[in-house]
Amino acid sequence: GQSLEQPSEVTAVEGAIVQINCTYQTSGFYGLSWYQQHDGGAPTFLSYNGLDGLEETGRFSSFLSRSDSYGYLLLQELQMKDSASYFCAVRTFNAGNNRKLIWGLGTSLAVNP
Amino acid sequence: DGGITQSPKYLFRKEGQNVTLSCEQNLNHDAMYWYRQDPGQGLRLIYYSQIVNDFQKGDIAEGYSVSREKKESFPLTVTSAQKNPTAFYLCASSSTSGSSYEQYFGPGTRLTVT
Repeated sequence: GQSLEQPSEVTAVEGAIVQINCTYQTSGFYGLSWYQQHDGGAPTFLSYNGLDGLEETGRFSSFLSRSDSYGYLLLQELQMKDSASYFCAVRTFNAGNNRKLIWGLGTSLAVNP
Repeated sequence: DGGITQSPKYLFRKEGQNVTLSCEQNLNHDAMYWYRQDPGQGLRLIYYSQIVNDFQKGDIAEGYSVSREKKESFPLTVTSAQKNPTAFYLCASSSTSGSSYEQYFGPGTRLTVT
């Protein structure tokens, strides 16, 4: 089967750095995406890694190691507004070459003062 | 402004009734998706469509139906056969060009069936 694993909850304080890990077991791997979802809201795209290495976008960075089937999202200089759920999602395709995302269950991040 | 609209935001229905959720996009995206999200859970794919007049079942298609008669529109019908329809429903779209990877989401419809 196809599965993604990420921690269910993470707690940190303002100004700190937090890393959210994601390990995956999927077929037809294209790349790993990260999305943020605030309570009651829709997911919004944060980053994508198609190749091994680190991608940096402002305070957020994402890393991928295809050989280890592993990635992480790094959030720096945490702010209260970063309290949200963070989802990793693998971009894959099926036998008909139709693309889709397989989603992890999400990590709830609580940022405390 | 380009984006995805879903209506209504909240929907209440009695058990045994079919209900159709609307999803419209003006991003000129070929691909559209319907997801279901239950409290504290990830997104589960119901149906997706890569092109007009074609769609594929996702992981939890039983009890749902879709149509894709126009590029901009991908309505989802929750039928009375869906055993546990109360959930948050999210519609998304994406480009199908080789370098694209981002899915854009609508604001969601929260369906409550009693």
